[in-house]
Amino acid sequence: SAVISQKPSRDICQRGTSLTIQCQVDSQVTMMFWYRQQPGQSLTLIATANQGSEATYESGFVIDKFPISRPNLTFSTLTVSNMSPEDSSIYLCSVEWASRPSGRAWYQETQYFGPGTRLLVL
Amino acid sequence: GENVEQHPSTLSVQEGDSAVIKCTYSDSASNYFPWYKQELGKRPQLIIDIRSNVGEKKDQRIAVTLNKTAKHFSLHITETQPEDSAVYFCAASRGEKLTFGTGTRLTIIP
Repeated sequence: SAVISQKPSRDICQRGTSLTIQCQVDSQVTMMFWYRQQPGQSLTLIATANQGSEATYESGFVIDKFPISRPNLTFSTLTVSNMSPEDSSIYLCSVEWASRPSGRAWYQETQYFGPGTRLLVL
Repeated sequence: GENVEQHPSTLSVQEGDSAVIKCTYSDSASNYFPWYKQELGKRPQLIIDIRSNVGEKKDQRIAVTLNKTAKHFSLHITETQPEDSAVYFCAASRGEKLTFGTGTRLTIIP
């Protein structure tokens, strides 16, 4: 599977400021995703980021609040803008990774997650 | 859009016994169903997945079953061990996007 890293691993920010989270993959991938995981909750998809096109946002998430960049096939950033305490959460990137099952001729895609960025907004 | 329900929300099992977690989904076009394990402070890790062309898949102590007619799938862990304690998430997808269940906190009692 792909090796995925995120920076920063954690941060404490003041309300009204912005934080940019970086996601780096050790191999080229087509699909990258950004999720939010609020404390004790499940994972919620923020947006899908494809290289060379605008990110596709899920209902409840907007580009002005969560601008995303995808400059190449191994890197993406998510910015959390004008932060409030409600933005305190873990932000995770994931990638869709194609692999060929043993003995098979076709490839299957699976999704792997980065280690996450733990954000606290005061 | 897709909606995934997961039960139970918490599960305590004696070490060595089996654990079963169940999920239902709403979109009949969904065709991919992964399970992730998330330990405290760690990233979700894929432990097993199943695609709609099979009904069951097994990997050592872990198995997943899929009933497309009823739109539900289940995770089975046999001979549970303390290291199985974690939060487990099911998910469903009809393409690239995953929709996650609400999670099950599994505790293995020594």
